[in-house]
Amino acid sequence: GQQVMQIPQYQHVQEGEDFTTYCNSSTTLSNIQWYKQRPGGHPVFLIQLVKSGEVKKQKRLTFQFGEAKKNSSLHITATQTTDVGTYFCAGPDNNAGNMLTFGGGTRLMVKP
Amino acid sequence: GAVVSQHPSWVICKSGTSVKIECRSLDFQATTMFWYRQFPKQSLMLMATSNEGSKATYEQGVEKDKFLINHASLTLSTLTVTSAHPEDSSFYICSASRNPMGNTEAFFGQGTRLTVV
Repeated sequence: GQQVMQIPQYQHVQEGEDFTTYCNSSTTLSNIQWYKQRPGGHPVFLIQLVKSGEVKKQKRLTFQFGEAKKNSSLHITATQTTDVGTYFCAGPDNNAGNMLTFGGGTRLMVKP
Repeated sequence: GAVVSQHPSWVICKSGTSVKIECRSLDFQATTMFWYRQFPKQSLMLMATSNEGSKATYEQGVEKDKFLINHASLTLSTLTVTSAHPEDSSFYICSASRNPMGNTEAFFGQGTRLTVV
């Protein structure tokens, strides 16, 4: 079945440093979605990318969808303590309606 | 954005008892909802797909008699953990999307932290 993998699993950064998490799918995706889960909270939708090679920005966050639509990345510039949490990518299961397959997540810790 | 409400937020129960968790879509109809289980510091593990008016579809390894799912209306799905044991202690989260067949964002409930003692 479809697999979505994310690296790294954990990342410690000093506040102000940049951070990147990478997502790879075993199959071509119609779109890729990113979610953030704060400690003790639930996943919250950040963004959806649809087009091959698409790049979207949300303030200090830059999201990119690969040309082959099988990989994606999330880059945070100048991290802040409010960026702490786990970032998940997710891709629709091609055979199951709106079911999403989630990556393992990257847990970001920011030292002040 | 759309709101999905999950109740209760946390529950402590004794071994052998059953616990029901509710997931409601407050401002949209959801023919499909999803139930996940999340262990500490781990990813979301899909347990089952809840289908309004029909039987739920369970993922491999998930006991359907243990985790009963009912999706009786377009806005409510329930997960009942039957005869709970300490190993069932976990964070359970539901999600739903506005568009049943399109690829749109998922809205998550707040999650239910279950502790079985």
